[in-house]
Amino acid sequence: KAGVTQTPRYLIKTRGQQVTLSCSPISGHRSVSWYQQTPGQGLQFLFEYFSETQRNKGNFPGRFSGRQFSNSRSEMNVSTLELGDSALYLCASSEGGSGNTIYFGEGSWLTVV
Amino acid sequence: GDSVTQMEGPVTLSEEAFLTINCTYTATGYPSLFWYVQYPGEGLQLLLKATKADDKGSNKGFEATYRKETTSFHLEKGSVQVSDSAVYFCALGGFQKLVFGTGTRLLVSP
Repeated sequence: KAGVTQTPRYLIKTRGQQVTLSCSPISGHRSVSWYQQTPGQGLQFLFEYFSETQRNKGNFPGRFSGRQFSNSRSEMNVSTLELGDSALYLCASSEGGSGNTIYFGEGSWLTVV
Repeated sequence: GDSVTQMEGPVTLSEEAFLTINCTYTATGYPSLFWYVQYPGEGLQLLLKATKADDKGSNKGFEATYRKETTSFHLEKGSVQVSDSAVYFCALGGFQKLVFGTGTRLLVSP
């Protein structure tokens, strides 16, 4: 069974631009969540989607948004990029129930210059 | 709110030494507890989990027991290998949201 797949793996953007990251969950998983990892703030929860609905959201500004499609694939978007958005963005998937194990992808490394 | 506290790293050990990485948590309700491992340049891999008090999670020689009375989930391994060098994250999970500790870097030398 394929794991969580994220694309692109690496990207460089300029301040002020926007970026879209993509995530394909493990087959059969209906929950997709996103995390940001930085050296200063560690791993922080961005949001979680289940059956195309956002169920949970972390404390990030509105520039960070996401969506989930009917096939459970998900995208997250960051608009008006700032230098501080440089991070590893991790997507994770699970079956969606309480206590289900959450599996992570390899991440997308975003550098904002 | 929920939080996880891990011991500061790096933890430096010689091969075959005993490993303990401390983790304590603060949470409302009865969360599941996890240890994830991150190798350089990679994402997070689930190492082990426990879903209720007194559960012991184990995998690849690593163990951790969910201690509700001390709100702890310490990671242990009897004999570490060089290949165990990585960053280890303790996390608690409510409903599809993980709260992570700051991570502990483990360095194992031959």
